[in-house]
Amino acid sequence: GAVVSQHPSRVICKSGTSVKIECRSLDFQATTMFWYRQFPKKSLMLMATSNEGSKATYEQGVEKDKFLINHASLTLSTLTVTSAHPEDSSFYICSAILRRAEAFFGQGTRLTVV
Amino acid sequence: EDQVTQSPEALRLQEGESSSLNCSYTVSGLRGLFWYRQDPGKGPEFLFTLYSAGEEKEKERLKATLTKKESFLHITAPKPEDSATYLCAVQDRSGGSYIPTFGRGTSLIVHP
Repeated sequence: GAVVSQHPSRVICKSGTSVKIECRSLDFQATTMFWYRQFPKKSLMLMATSNEGSKATYEQGVEKDKFLINHASLTLSTLTVTSAHPEDSSFYICSAILRRAEAFFGQGTRLTVV
Repeated sequence: EDQVTQSPEALRLQEGESSSLNCSYTVSGLRGLFWYRQDPGKGPEFLFTLYSAGEEKEKERLKATLTKKESFLHITAPKPEDSATYLCAVQDRSGGSYIPTFGRGTSLIVHP
C-alpha cells in the first residue's frame, strides 16, 4: 500500500510557542491531504482539507489562524499549531488520498502543551 | 448528509471465537467503502476497499463484505494480535469532494 510519513511522532512544547507537523506521501503524489484530530477513545475529527497550491478548507469550528496548513508540493503538507495552549494537546493525524479513492494515514503526532 | 454507523461499539472475544463487525451507511452514491485498523497511539492502517454490492475482500483472518446498505467485517478464529479499533468509512460519489466519512469505530479485544 501507499506510504504516508508523519513527523514528529511526539512533541512537547511550552504554552505560547508554535509547533509544525509534517505529512509526506512517500511513493505517490497527493493533490489532497486531510488533517484530523483525535481525542482519547474517540473517532477522527476532520479539521481541514489541504489542496496542493491552494488554500486549505477548514471545517466549521476550526480556527484557521491557529491551525495553519500549507500544502506546498504534491508530497508535503504541514500543519502549524500557533500559540499553542494546553487545550491544543491531542493526537493529530494526516492522510493523503490515492487515486481519488483510498486514504492512507500517517503515524500520527502526539502533541503535549505544557 | 452521509452517515456511517458502526456496531457494536466494543466487542470482547475469546481467541478462536469468530464474529462480525457491522458498518451501516447512508450515501447519495457510493464511490467506495473502506475498512481500517487502528492500534492505540497509531494512525489508521488501511485494510480494504469495497466498491459495489456483492463484493468481498479477504486478508488473513479478515473478510469484508458489502451490500447496498451495510458492510460486515468478519473475523475468523481471531488472535490476541487482532485486538484494535476497526474503522469504517465511506466516500460519496456525488460532488467533487473526496472526503471520507468515518464511523466511530468498533473496539475489539481478543482474550487469549
